[in-house]
Amino acid sequence: DTGVSQNPRHKITKRGQNVTFRCDPISEHNRLYWYRQTLGQGPEFLTYFQNEAQLEKSRLLSDRFSAERPKGSFSTLEIQRTEQGDSAMYLCASSLARGAYNEQFFGPGTRLTVL
Amino acid sequence: AQRVTQPEKLLSVFKGAPVELKCNYSYSGSPELFWYVQYSRQRLQLLLRHISRESIKGFTADLNKGETSFHLKKPFAQEEDSAMYYCALSHANAGKSTFGDGTTLTVKP
Repeated sequence: DTGVSQNPRHKITKRGQNVTFRCDPISEHNRLYWYRQTLGQGPEFLTYFQNEAQLEKSRLLSDRFSAERPKGSFSTLEIQRTEQGDSAMYLCASSLARGAYNEQFFGPGTRLTVL
Repeated sequence: AQRVTQPEKLLSVFKGAPVELKCNYSYSGSPELFWYVQYSRQRLQLLLRHISRESIKGFTADLNKGETSFHLKKPFAQEEDSAMYYCALSHANAGKSTFGDGTTLTVKP
């Protein structure tokens, strides 16, 4: 297992198009997180799953964003009708939740550019 | 609401000098604090967490609940410490982490 992987690494799209990103977590990890990061800022939480259940979603997240983790393994993040403000790095992380220990392992990210 | 503040965007020190990266937080519960590091062209990775009270690569961080701070310190900086450092907060058994906006550390020869 080489860690968390994300595909694609880069995506360029035109405003109004839909895009979908994939995240493959570390195999035994039961939690999966999505973050968004723009230039000069730290990662901003979007949503997270425990197994296949989506347990929390940021209130800042537009209805155009949806995430799934259908079998508790990989996850997809879809953005519908993209806007230029959606341009950012989208990070995925996974963790093995056990007690108070919550180390998150991050993927390399998908950089989205909306023209 | 939980919030993490890293007051310095950029920090530059000479090799061998002490370094301190500041982190302040606001949270009403019992926080779990972390420092993450991102070296050039690499992914974000955990550096240390307050629960472990460990020293990683010579770095230490002490949680000061009175001052709501979790500053990262190293007595003698090395050039390979040059990176982006993020302070993060979550609560036990929680999902999300809240990150600061990061401090870029440059260690000059």
